[in-house]
Amino acid sequence: GAVVSQHPSWVICKSGTSVKIECRSLDFQATTMFWYRQFPKQSLMLMATSNEGSKATYEQGVEKDKFLINHASLTLSTLTVTSAHPEDSSFYICSARQQNSPLHFGNGTRLTVT
Amino acid sequence: DAKTTQPTSMDCAEGRAANLPCNHSTISGNEYVYWYRQIHSQGPQYIIHGLKNNETNEMASLIITEDRKSSTLILPHATLRDTAVYYCIVRVLGQNFVFGPGTRLSVLP
Repeated sequence: GAVVSQHPSWVICKSGTSVKIECRSLDFQATTMFWYRQFPKQSLMLMATSNEGSKATYEQGVEKDKFLINHASLTLSTLTVTSAHPEDSSFYICSARQQNSPLHFGNGTRLTVT
Repeated sequence: DAKTTQPTSMDCAEGRAANLPCNHSTISGNEYVYWYRQIHSQGPQYIIHGLKNNETNEMASLIITEDRKSSTLILPHATLRDTAVYYCIVRVLGQNFVFGPGTRLSVLP
């Protein structure tokens, strides 16, 4: 089945620094990838939709200048959390989809900002 | 907002069938029913989906009522590794997946 790889699985960074998270579709091409965020004991919340070769579409309330998304190829999307603060600490999960197939998720990145 | 309603939590004895209900009374004719599960600190895992016919795969069975207003995910022989949060999602092809709070299934030894 379709495999989505996310890296790193966890990261600790200092407040004010930036962190990049990679999401790769390993055995299929994904024209669209999605980034979710999940706080403890809550459900997944869609942050943005990443389209290959074009600008990402952000959900209401998500700052596009803070969460930079780049989808440079059909198998790779990156999320950069810029100038991270403790309130950005969360579980970030990417997903990718082949056309008309179910969404497949990476294993998530736990970000802790100290 | 999620278009589904699920119980907050359920328990199931190991080896027994786990039946997880989902209400989607406002589902439209072109919306599919999807089930995912999330084991602690992992990304969601696709289980099964269907439109109106019952579906079965190696993981589970999906039973959709004739009026399509509710469905049940069946794990035929639950194991401890099936302990997870189970999400029922309805969506039209091409739309985003909106996750509700899901059902926390605890499989007990």
